[in-house]
Amino acid sequence: DVKVTQSSRYLVKRTGEKVFLECVQDMDHENMFWYRQDPGLGLRLIYFSYDVKMKEKGDIPEGYSVSREKKERFSLILESASTNQTSMYLCASSFDRGGNTIYFGEGSWLTVV
Amino acid sequence: AQSVTQLDSHVSVSEGTPVLLRCNYSSSYSPSLFWYVQHPNKGLQLLLKYTSAATLVKGINGFEAEFKKSETSFHLTKPSAHMSDAAEYFCVVSAPIGASGTYKYIFGTGTRLKVLA
Repeated sequence: DVKVTQSSRYLVKRTGEKVFLECVQDMDHENMFWYRQDPGLGLRLIYFSYDVKMKEKGDIPEGYSVSREKKERFSLILESASTNQTSMYLCASSFDRGGNTIYFGEGSWLTVV
Repeated sequence: AQSVTQLDSHVSVSEGTPVLLRCNYSSSYSPSLFWYVQHPNKGLQLLLKYTSAATLVKGINGFEAEFKKSETSFHLTKPSAHMSDAAEYFCVVSAPIGASGTYKYIFGTGTRLKVLA
């Protein structure tokens, strides 16, 4: 079975803190994604990566950065957390860049106070 | 440009009655289309996908969807709703971004299904 694991399910951080959200997939997928999900706004793409050390901006990259040092791991970084970054963050992966099935992790609920 | 519209933000059905969740898409290319389900505090789980083979696609848990190119629709149905079907459902289209060969996933805003006892 396909598995995308987000190590932190629930986090509470203070404004201005640096936050790391980690994601690991065990399917040797090329593509990995970070989305945020907010009520009424659906899923919005923050960043994606189609190869190690490669990254592409999504629709809402401001205030975020990412790191992909190994194929199976894709990290989302909030350099200085703000309250408007309180959200559910979803990591996902897909086999390649060809629009195949995308598989999701369980999500990370981040609250910034 | 590609887009996805889920026509209902909320749908309520009684247990044992049919479910219809509507999705329309717009794509300049032959799209791949997906339905995902999200239970509370969980990630998205694939229900089914269409990739230009049979237009009627069967998925998990008794769900199916029919691709209708002339109507640009991909509606999700189930003959008989179960309480465990209560969740949020997302219609998704994947389509290429320009000439790069990279595909983008476009998500609908979701339909929340409520199942009444």
